[in-house]
Amino acid sequence: AQSVTQPDIHITVSEGASLELRCNYSYGATPYLFWYVRSPGQGLQLLLKYFSGDTLVQGIKGFEAEFKRSQSSFNLRKPSVHWSDAAEYFCAVGGSGGSNYKLTFGKGTLLTVNP
Amino acid sequence: DTGVSQDPRHKITKRGQNVTFRCDPISEHNRLYWYRQTLGQGPEFLTYFQNEAQLEKSRLLSDRFSAERPKGSFSTLEIQRTEQGDSAMYLCASSLVSYYGYTFGSGTRLTVV
Repeated sequence: AQSVTQPDIHITVSEGASLELRCNYSYGATPYLFWYVRSPGQGLQLLLKYFSGDTLVQGIKGFEAEFKRSQSSFNLRKPSVHWSDAAEYFCAVGGSGGSNYKLTFGKGTLLTVNP
Repeated sequence: DTGVSQDPRHKITKRGQNVTFRCDPISEHNRLYWYRQTLGQGPEFLTYFQNEAQLEKSRLLSDRFSAERPKGSFSTLEIQRTEQGDSAMYLCASSLVSYYGYTFGSGTRLTVV
């Protein structure tokens, strides 16, 4: 069964600092990986996704993530955090083939940004 | 394209009552999904429709839960005889092709008192 672990429940960073949110997955085949964000009062928004090819993927809002198969990780990064990045971030893994319609999410990481 | 709409945004109900939620997907999306998110957890898959056909139901969806998507348009999720454990955020998403292009609604927050 597939699973996702986000080890950090809550992270606090200062505005302008760099950010890395960790995500580890468990999946028997080639995973399809996603990062979503939920800002206060908003629905889940897709930041970026990895299906194949280049292991460094770029997303919206200046975020990027790197797929490392050897470490079963898909960490999200941003070089300089803005106050508007304060939100809850979810990593998710999807199946392939016949089950390419459902995602398994991690429990999320809440990001607080200090001025 | 106004995105995925969910109604109501919030629902407070007494234990034992029935509740129904509605989801209006993006019009050209033929796939529709329901997820549930409880406090401290990530969203968990409940069920999936392709057009009007319900193709999978999670074991999380007990017999008290039923979902429909008549004519492959909007969808409803009904919970009968609600219990306090049903308190959660119920999320709807739609897509055109698998999860490549999931678009989520803002969710319906259910509180059972």
